[in-house]
Parts: sequence; C-alpha cells; structure tokens
Amino acid sequence: DIQMTQSPSSLSASVGDRVTITCRASQSVGVYLNWYQQKPGKAPELLIYGASSLQSGVPSRFSGSGFGTDFTLTISSLQPEDFASYYCQQSYSTPWTFGQGTKVEFK
Amino acid sequence: QVQLQESGPGLVKPSQTLSLTCTVSGGSISSGSYYWSWIRQPVGKGLEWIGRIYTSGSTTYKSSLKSRVTISIDRSKNQLSLKLTSVTAADTAVYYCARAGYTYGSLPFDYWGQGTLVTVSS
Repeated sequence: DIQMTQSPSSLSASVGDRVTITCRASQSVGVYLNWYQQKPGKAPELLIYGASSLQSGVPSRFSGSGFGTDFTLTISSLQPEDFASYYCQQSYSTPWTFGQGTKVEFK
Repeated sequence: QVQLQESGPGLVKPSQTLSLTCTVSGGSISSGSYYWSWIRQPVGKGLEWIGRIYTSGSTTYKSSLKSRVTISIDRSKNQLSLKLTSVTAADTAVYYCARAGYTYGSLPFDYWGQGTLVTVSS
C-alpha cells in the first residue's frame, strides 16, 4: 500500500497568512494526487486534482504543486472560511489512500 | 448536478452485518466511466477507503477488509450498496459514498454523499 504522510498535522494561522501543507507518498504516484477540504460535520470537498488542477468553483487562492512523491497545497491568503482540515489522497493505485490530515486553526 | 445520499441503520450490534445504501440522483450510476466508492471516517480521525465498484460492475476492496466487504450496484434503483459483515466497535464511523472519474490524468472523488454515522454497540 502507498502511505501518504502530511505535515504538519495541525497549524495555527491568521487571516491573510500564506499557508503551505506538504504531502509525501511512500512511492511515486505521478500526478495522481488530490487535495480535499473538510469542515466539521461535513463531507470532504475536492479542491485540487492531478496535483495542480483547481476544481471548478474553488477560489484561486488555493494551489497545488508537485510530482512523484512530494506535493504541496498552498493557500495564498487565508480566509475565515478556510479554517478546516485538509487531506491529500493518491489515486495512482489501490488501495486508494489518504494522508492523516492537517487541521488549520485560528491563531 | 449529481447528488449522493447515504441511508441505513445508525446502530448495528457487534458481530452483525452493516448494510448501507447510497442513492444517486442527477445522473445514472450506469453511465460514464466512474468508480463508485465507500469511504469511512471514525469520529475525529482520518479517511479510510473501503472499496470501489466500476460502472461495469467490477469491484476492488481494501485488502484488510476484503473478507468482510461487499459493494454492489442496483441499476434499477440507481443505488450503490455496502455490506460489512461481523462488525466490531472498530467499524464505528461516518460512512461516505463518493464518485471518482478520470479527469485530466487523475482520478479524484468529485462527488460525495453527506455521510451517515454508524455506531457498533450492543
């Protein structure tokens, strides 16, 4: 199984901050890497697919990069509605696996 | 706009079978090239993929759950179902159904149900 490791597990930030979350795969997943946002009590929502493609309707302050084993999700200017948990997920091979999540909290 | 809605018992006794249904609206579960998956999330924890069924009906399961899981499609009802046998407290979680389709070289979950909490307890 491909292990996905996110860092940090949590972070504290303020509105307007630039936030970067990293995700590392235990083996190459090419660009089969997706990012999701999850708010409390809600289902995850797709933000980024194919490592760097922005899902329709997602604000442009979100961006993704990377290839192979190392990936990043960046929020260029954190907004109040962005306080949530974020998960990376590989869809390169089954079992599809998720990172453990990164919780973005208000500083 | 595709919508997914999970339904089923919220409480299951240990050793019994967990059965959930996901009703798809806004599109046919039989059309296109999609993988329909079940994913679960223990309260306060991360996401775990359980398995998937392709539009054609072929299935793939997480190996650690394979002996207990069955995912199927009822095309007449446009529904996806999950059966998990011999449940224990470790199977207590919010269960989601989700759709994945090839999109520009990736395979993301683009539609999710709202999730349903299943508690395993006597």
